[in-house]
Amino acid sequence: QSVLTQPPSVSGAPGQRVTISCTGSSSNIGAGYDVHWYQQLPGTAPKLLIYGNSNRPSGVPDRFSGSKSGTSASLAITGLQAEDEADYYCQSYDSSLSAPNYVFGTGTKVTVL
Amino acid sequence: EVQLVESGGGLIQPGGSLRLSCAASGFTVSSNYMSWVRQAPGKGLEWVSVIYSGGSTYYADSVKGRFTISRDNSKNTLYLQMNSLRAEDTAVYYCASLGDQYYFDYWGQGTLVTVSS
Repeated sequence: QSVLTQPPSVSGAPGQRVTISCTGSSSNIGAGYDVHWYQQLPGTAPKLLIYGNSNRPSGVPDRFSGSKSGTSASLAITGLQAEDEADYYCQSYDSSLSAPNYVFGTGTKVTVL
Repeated sequence: EVQLVESGGGLIQPGGSLRLSCAASGFTVSSNYMSWVRQAPGKGLEWVSVIYSGGSTYYADSVKGRFTISRDNSKNTLYLQMNSLRAEDTAVYYCASLGDQYYFDYWGQGTLVTVSS
């Protein structure tokens, strides 16, 4: 099961701002590991949206922004557009085991009203 | 342009075996950290396995002892050998490369594995 918790769904009207939270613990986000975000459009593979807490890969609109504080992180989408309707996942690294463990959030479905 | 193309998925009976392949172009598999990530139908993403550039391999507890990740440098291809398959292994399997800050930067299109009798 996922060790990073996200709200199952968020929604907003076109042009509005929505935020998605990602709550972890002292063995992952709270331990200082970076948080990354992915966008998964229906029927497609995930796509890297934010890396290193707040960095956007080339080609990602600046409507998407990320932040991290303590044991949590957030993804914000400003100026919501119809094409932003998708599933969003946070991801980090967890050190609670003796071996590498790359953990994902539970996922959030964004609906554009 | 980096491209990852998975193949090898299909319908397999419980207890059976399957080998997935991920052919890479535009970059070198052996020089990068490479992973498999899966997604059960209607569910979230789950990390499965990683092979580091030095050859070390690691697995999620859910597949440890049953799955083996490997690569063929001459073919620039990543593999996932899956044995003793269970119904709960049914998922789309993606191969992905790991960036230096532990994020998955490039993804394949995925291949569906269905374990059912």
